[in-house]
Amino acid sequence: QVQLLESGPGLVMPSGTLSLTCAVSGDSTSSDNWWSWVRQTPGKGLEWIGEVNHSGKNRINPSLKSRVSISVDKSKNQVSLTLRSVTAADTAVYYCARDHYISGSYYQFDYWGQGTLVTVSS
Amino acid sequence: DIQMTQSPSSLSASVGDRVTITCRASESISSYLNWYQQKLGKVPKLVIYAASRLQSGVPSRFSGSGFGTDFTLTISSLQSEDFATYYCQQSHSTPWTFGQGTKVEI
Repeated sequence: QVQLLESGPGLVMPSGTLSLTCAVSGDSTSSDNWWSWVRQTPGKGLEWIGEVNHSGKNRINPSLKSRVSISVDKSKNQVSLTLRSVTAADTAVYYCARDHYISGSYYQFDYWGQGTLVTVSS
Repeated sequence: DIQMTQSPSSLSASVGDRVTITCRASESISSYLNWYQQKLGKVPKLVIYAASRLQSGVPSRFSGSGFGTDFTLTISSLQSEDFATYYCQQSHSTPWTFGQGTKVEI
C-alpha cells in the first residue's frame, strides 16, 4: 500500500519560504510515476503546484513557476517542495500525491497524503 | 491553461437517486479526464480515471463517460456514503487543472 506523509512548518512568515517534505512508502521515487504537490483553499479549490519524476525532471504550474522548486531525494525516498516569497494567498492545505502513469499517456492522482495546513501570517 | 467547469455547483439528492454531474473542458482533452471524491475534512479519492475507467475498489454504481470537451460522472443509486464533493481534473496537458467541485448534499 502506497503511503505519503507530508511534513513541515504549519506557520510561515509573509515574504518567507515554505518548505515541505513528502515521505513515500510502498513505492519508490525511482519508479515511472511522477510525484506531485497539490494545494487546496476554500476560495480557489484544488490547485496543482507541480511535480517531479525520478530523474529530477520538473513540471511546474506557470502561475507559480517563478517561486517554486520541487526536488526528489531517491536515497531517502522523499520529495520536497519549496515555495518562496509567500503571502497570505499561499495559505492552504498542501497535499503530496502520486501522479500515476499508465499506457496511453494517462496520468491520475491515485494516492494522496493526508495533507498539511500551512498558514502564512506574522 | 485548460479551464474545467462543473455543473451544478451543488445538488440535493436522496438515497437511491440517480445523480449526474457534468464537467466541461475549455478545449478538447480527448479522454484525459479524472474524477475525485472528497468528503468533508478528508483527502481527495480517485473514483474514475481516463474518463470511464473505474478505480480499483470503487463501487460499480459509479460510472464516467464523455470524450472531447463534455464529460459526466453518474452515481446510479446514491448511497449515504456518497455524500461528498466531486471534482473533475484534466490530464491532457500541464498545468493539470481541476473543476471547482460539485457538492452532493442530502
